[in-house]
Amino acid sequence: DTEVTQTPKHLVMGMTNKKSLKCEQHMGHRAMYWYKQKAKKPPELMFVYSYEKLSINESVPSRFSPECPNSSLLNLHLHALQPEDSALYLCASSLRRGNEQFFGPGTRLTVL
Amino acid sequence: AQKVTQAQTEISVVEKEDVTLDCVYETRDTTYYLFWYKQPPSGELVFLIRRNSFDEQNEISGRYSWNFQKSTSSFNFTITASQVVDSAVYFCALSEAFGGSEKLVFGKGTKLTVNP
Repeated sequence: DTEVTQTPKHLVMGMTNKKSLKCEQHMGHRAMYWYKQKAKKPPELMFVYSYEKLSINESVPSRFSPECPNSSLLNLHLHALQPEDSALYLCASSLRRGNEQFFGPGTRLTVL
Repeated sequence: AQKVTQAQTEISVVEKEDVTLDCVYETRDTTYYLFWYKQPPSGELVFLIRRNSFDEQNEISGRYSWNFQKSTSSFNFTITASQVVDSAVYFCALSEAFGGSEKLVFGKGTKLTVNP
């Protein structure tokens, strides 16, 4: 199994909703990442988990809350988002530093 | 701070033409890794190649080739005999050590359109 899966593919939510994005990989990778990508821009790193511990938080607002329940799963909990948070959210994983990151297909999020 | 520059914002070619995408990077690390990713309209980032700073050998994979030159801090990507399916945004990226982990620094991307 050499893929990263993400659910849902699309999500529309209101500013008062609480929702979660899910990411899963079964490649034995120990680093997992959340990125945010706006249209016509490169991906921007949000969080990095290394061996299930949060190792990088790129000053992301607290309305985004990551969670890594085990080495295969990564969640991103969303609460009280703003319309400007609408974007493609990409999950990735890698074996270790210097190795390529494999990306999931992304969740396209729209905040109304 | 690390930086990746992809000066070409958009390139348009006709099928079967060769095309080179430029990538220039800045880093103070002696050990670093460079990557190219393809992002077709579907949105998924597809890994193409990884190169570490100690390996300056050029690489060819089918119609794709990469030219890594440390002397000019460049890691250029050439598609030979381009095809419509090559139409995508291509990102060059540099890995940056951060604590015990790493982060990818992406260039702004080059949008390649291959016309039939």
